Order: sequence, then structure tokens, then C-alpha cells
Amino acid sequence: GEDVEQSLFLSVREGDSSVINCTYTDSSSTYLYWYKQEPGAGLQLLTYIFSNMDMKQDQRLTVLLNKKDKHLSLRIADTQTGDSAIYFCAERSNQGGKLIFGQGTELSVKP
Amino acid sequence: DSGVTQTPKHLITATGQRVTLRCSPRSGDLSVYWYQQSLDQGLQFLIQYYNGEERAKGNILERFSAQQFPDLHSELNLSSLELGDSALYFCASSADWGKETQYFGPGTRLLVL
Repeated sequence: GEDVEQSLFLSVREGDSSVINCTYTDSSSTYLYWYKQEPGAGLQLLTYIFSNMDMKQDQRLTVLLNKKDKHLSLRIADTQTGDSAIYFCAERSNQGGKLIFGQGTELSVKP
Repeated sequence: DSGVTQTPKHLITATGQRVTLRCSPRSGDLSVYWYQQSLDQGLQFLIQYYNGEERAKGNILERFSAQQFPDLHSELNLSSLELGDSALYFCASSADWGKETQYFGPGTRLLVL
């Protein structure tokens, strides 16, 4: 079956690195995504990674993919208070391309 | 701004009523997806259309239906509303039917009283 799991909360200090973890079950997933949702707002695409990659870096964001363990992580360097939001991990199903989302990780950044 | 627009932003209605949510995809995108975000179920896929045709169905109730029009905008119709239908409804679009990244609209917040 298709399932995506994330821890629910993460609290960090401003300037520290944040690491948000995600596990998924569908080994045939070809694309994995990270979306950000700020309070009262929609889902903003942050980054994505193809399943044939191990790592992708985009400015302060680093995505690591361990296909063997079906584990995905998002590292945010130099975390700022503006990064406080809910972060969703999602895998794209091979059946029509629908996204399967995790429960979301609420990141709280303290000054 | 993702380029996906949704109207209305907020909707308050009563049980038993029917509402229509509207979505305009990004310019050039042919595929539209509808998702529901609720506290108990999280973010769940409802239905997908590609160039006017239904492509995939998720956990969509029989009381809900959708369509995509020739100009590619889409509407999600929710009828015989129940309290549990209160949720945030997102529309997303992508260029192709299953291969491209999905960009989300700001959502329609539905409150059923």
C-alpha cells in the first residue's frame, strides 16, 4: 500500500539547522516532494527529488533520499523564524500521478 | 503565487446544502487535481482530470462530483453537505497527466454549520 509517515513536531532555535524526516512505503515512487504550508495559506512547492538521486541541494535546502530504507529528509540550514510552518512530504503514485501526503511536520523556530 | 486560482476563498453553508468550488489551473496546464485537507484525515486526493476527462479517483464521496471544462477550469460540486465535510479544499495543476510537478492553489475553506 501507499503510506507516508512524518513526525508531527520539531522545534529549533533561530540559526540552527532543521532536519525533517519522512518515510514512505511505495518503492516504485519516482518522485518525492516537499511542500510548505504557512498558517491560513496554501501548499507551496519547496523542492523535489527524483528517485535515482541521493541528494539535491537548493540554496538553504538539502534533500537526502535513502531508497533502500525508503527514507527522505529535508534539511534547512540557518533556520529563520520565517521558516516556521508545516512541512509536508509527498510521494507521487504511479497510478495517475496523485500525491500521497504525510501528516505534516510543524516546525517551530524560536528566536 | 503558484498561478493556480481558486474561488471562493471561504464558504460557510448549512448541512444539506450544495456548493460549487472553482479552480483555474496555471496557464498551459492540462491536468487538475482536487485534494481535501481535514484535521482527522490530513491531505487526501479526491479526483483528477486531464484535458476534460476524468483520469483518477481517490477517496471521493458519491455526494461529490467534479468536471473540467473546455477552457480547462474545473469545478468540484459538493452536495447534501454534512458537518464532516468542513475542510480546506485544494486544487492543483500540472502540465501533463501524471509526470509533472503539481502546483497548488490557495484553497477554499468550507465550513458546514
